[in-house]
Amino acid sequence: QVQLVQSGTEVKKPGTSVRISCKTSGYNFISYHVHWVRQASGQGLEWVGKITPQDGSTIFAQKFQGRVTMSRDTSTNTVYFELNSLRSDDTAVYYCVRDRYGPDYWGQGTLVTVS
Amino acid sequence: DIVLTQTPLSSPVALGQPASISCRSSQSLVYSDGNTYLSWLQQRPGQPPRLLIYETSKRFSGVPDRFSGSGTGTDFTLRISRVEGEDVGVYYCAHATQFPRTFGQGTKVEIK
Repeated sequence: QVQLVQSGTEVKKPGTSVRISCKTSGYNFISYHVHWVRQASGQGLEWVGKITPQDGSTIFAQKFQGRVTMSRDTSTNTVYFELNSLRSDDTAVYYCVRDRYGPDYWGQGTLVTVS
Repeated sequence: DIVLTQTPLSSPVALGQPASISCRSSQSLVYSDGNTYLSWLQQRPGQPPRLLIYETSKRFSGVPDRFSGSGTGTDFTLRISRVEGEDVGVYYCAHATQFPRTFGQGTKVEIK
């Protein structure tokens, strides 16, 4: 079955970076985009960006450009997300999401606390 | 950016009664291939979102048939024919027509 398993909770200081992994299984890794969506406590969903595993190309939301990096490892079917220059308002649960025509499978989420 | 506006933001519903959520887009969600990439997600408390409906009206694998989606262009609706206790949560519409992807604000469904 399709699974996206994310790395664990992170606590970071302002100004530092965080890296989250998303290990996928159960499907052809290069056939689906992987998006990252975040959700602050009690708030709605915010799209951060996406990576195309086939060629590693990325698209980011404008507000994150220059601060975010996404990469992939096709040998382990894993996608990586990195956010730099962390601020307190980056505190949120970050989800990796498989997507082709809609966000069909979600990781369990990774809580990132910036404090 | 496409703005998705959901109404209502809160929907108290009695068990067994129907519920309906509207999602209005600031621009047409019809893609160049003719398909309309509007999805509905359910987020139960403490859980990640879960896909219910994609491409406006297609039910995702394992989704009960009491959930249905409809709409065209800029106006979309999610209907729950008979609300059950497990349907409590927040429902989001989301588009996949262009970048950036955006989501509606969410509609909280609770039992009256």
